[in-house]
Amino acid sequence: GQQLNQSPQSMFIQEGEDVSMNCTSSSIFNTWLWYKQDPGEGPVLLIALYKAGELTSNGRLTAQFGITRKDSFLNISASIPSDVGIYFCAGSNFGNEKLTFGTGTRLTIIP
Amino acid sequence: DTAVSQTPKYLVTQMGNDKSIKCEQNLGHDTMYWYKQDSKKFLKIMFSYNNKELIINETVPNRFSPKSPDKAHLNLHINSLELGDSAVYFCASSLRTGTSITGELFFGEGSRLTVL
Repeated sequence: GQQLNQSPQSMFIQEGEDVSMNCTSSSIFNTWLWYKQDPGEGPVLLIALYKAGELTSNGRLTAQFGITRKDSFLNISASIPSDVGIYFCAGSNFGNEKLTFGTGTRLTIIP
Repeated sequence: DTAVSQTPKYLVTQMGNDKSIKCEQNLGHDTMYWYKQDSKKFLKIMFSYNNKELIINETVPNRFSPKSPDKAHLNLHINSLELGDSAVYFCASSLRTGTSITGELFFGEGSRLTVL
């Protein structure tokens, strides 16, 4: 089956630093999404990407849909304490109801 | 108003018991899901329903039986609980456009099931 691998698995950064994480797939997706999960909560959608090569921003977050359709990247600029959590990429294909999630990147901010 | 609500939030039970988790969404969505998140935080789809019709069943043991009385509700019943069923179960909903979802799922807060 399709697998989405995220890297890094975890990150420890200081407040104010920029963050980059990526997600790679063994097969093509037509839609890429990035979700964030806070402790004790369900994942919440951050950014959705629908076109290869697309670059989309949401505040301090920027995500890109890789040109090969097999990867995506998420950047967070000037991190703040509330950015702590687990970030998941997810992919889906047209005509398919299924959303496949990545393995997650856990972000921790060191005081 | 909570968009996707699940009950109970916590469930502790003995092996062999039967339990149910309920989910309701007030977003007017037509597709609902159950996802399982294990201790390593992997999120895996279990079931998906569109307008009360089962459309995804991901090789889940038949001890798990979803039921959708209407498009705003999707319940999950688990028979003969096993230790390996311990996990957080998330309900989610989305809007279907044409023949596919947009990918924009709205999740509930999760129901943490612990089987002793």
